Amino acid sequence: SQKIEQNSEALNIQEGKTATLTCNYTNYSPAYLQWYRQDPGRGPVFLLLIRENEKEKRKERLKVTFDTTLKQSLFHITASQPADSATYLCASLGNTDKLIFGTGTRLQVFP
Amino acid sequence: NAGVTQTPKFQVLKTGQSMTLQCAQDMNHEYMSWYRQDPGMGLRLIHYSVGAGITDQGEVPNGYNVSRSTTEDFPLRLLSAAPSQTSVYFCASSPTGSNQPQHFGDGTRLSIL
Repeated sequence: SQKIEQNSEALNIQEGKTATLTCNYTNYSPAYLQWYRQDPGRGPVFLLLIRENEKEKRKERLKVTFDTTLKQSLFHITASQPADSATYLCASLGNTDKLIFGTGTRLQVFP
Repeated sequence: NAGVTQTPKFQVLKTGQSMTLQCAQDMNHEYMSWYRQDPGMGLRLIHYSVGAGITDQGEVPNGYNVSRSTTEDFPLRLLSAAPSQTSVYFCASSPTGSNQPQHFGDGTRLSIL
């Protein structure tokens, strides 16, 4: 079955460092991937979308890559800040045209 | 713009009770959907609608009903609540479909005793 997998373990990094989160997909080839941020008690908020023909997408301190050979997307936050602490979700359309979400990776940035 | 508004924010039900979770959006979006989020699991699609009068099942539709009489509203009905339906429910919308960024509400936290 189609799956999106994210590291369920929390990622703890120091302020100012680059955080890198991973999203792997199996048993299908999505045309694009989306990344969302979710804060405790809130709904997910859309951050970035990257298409399969785009190797990299940037928005301010955020960068997303899409490697169709490795079946993987990487999400980077440069110069991370404590305010970046949240859970980050990746999602893509499956073969049934329905959005499939990963379980999310919790990022904790400490001063 | 309020975006996507969900009510209530919290609800406790007894097994067998029924209730409706409300979802409204003011962005004139055609596509609306309902997800549930459980610990250790990703958001799972319950039902979705591509426009007023049109609904379809998602991944986990059993025990839930939906209707879409207007563009703005997409209520989710629990027919006979079961403890397995304890979850956080999110409503989302987008201009035309699931291939676009989704706008989420802040969720309804539902406990079934």
